[in-house]
Amino acid sequence: SQTIHQWPATLVQPVGSPLSLECTVEGTSNPNLYWYRQAAGRGLQLLFYSVGIGQISSEVPQNLSASRPQDRQFILSSKKLLLSDSGFYLCAWSPLGGVGYFGPGTRLTVT
Amino acid sequence: TQLLEQSPQFLSIQEGENLTVYCNSSSVFSSLQWYRQEPGEGPVLLVTVVTGGEVKKLKRLTFQFGDARKDSSLHITAAQPGDTGLYLCAGGGGGSNYKLTFGKGTLLTVNP
Repeated sequence: SQTIHQWPATLVQPVGSPLSLECTVEGTSNPNLYWYRQAAGRGLQLLFYSVGIGQISSEVPQNLSASRPQDRQFILSSKKLLLSDSGFYLCAWSPLGGVGYFGPGTRLTVT
Repeated sequence: TQLLEQSPQFLSIQEGENLTVYCNSSSVFSSLQWYRQEPGEGPVLLVTVVTGGEVKKLKRLTFQFGDARKDSSLHITAAQPGDTGLYLCAGGGGGSNYKLTFGKGTLLTVNP
């Protein structure tokens, strides 16, 4: 069966510091991968998605970036965090477009 | 831009009551998913509906996809405290559209 991992589970970082969140998927090949941010426990905002190694599409302008160095690895990064980057970050994978399976999430607090 | 509106935003009921939450859009979706999310965790997929008019049942939960594939509803019979959570609907564009469009969710509290 497929599983998806995210780490760290929680993170507290000062403004201006760098960020690296990692997501890995097991048990599947060539998945579509997604990064979402959820504010205040409500709707999900799609940040990035990837349909293959090195292929990244950005949905919103921001100071975040994503990379996919391996088939089942997806990384969310920032060079300098802003207070507004605080939130709950969710990685998801999909075998086909339109169905998403989510990881456990990372709670990021920027202070 | 495809948008999904969920209603109500908040719902607090007593154990044993029935409830329906709605997910509406002016856009057509190739599929629609319902998720439940508990605090501090990722959303968990409950069901996917793909055919207009489709009805799926999952124990006490009944999901319906509108005939025009623009809306959906989730009905819970005899709600239990374990049903408490954030219910999210998401629409898939299908084909080469790899993205899901999410509603803002309905926060359900079932009181014992």
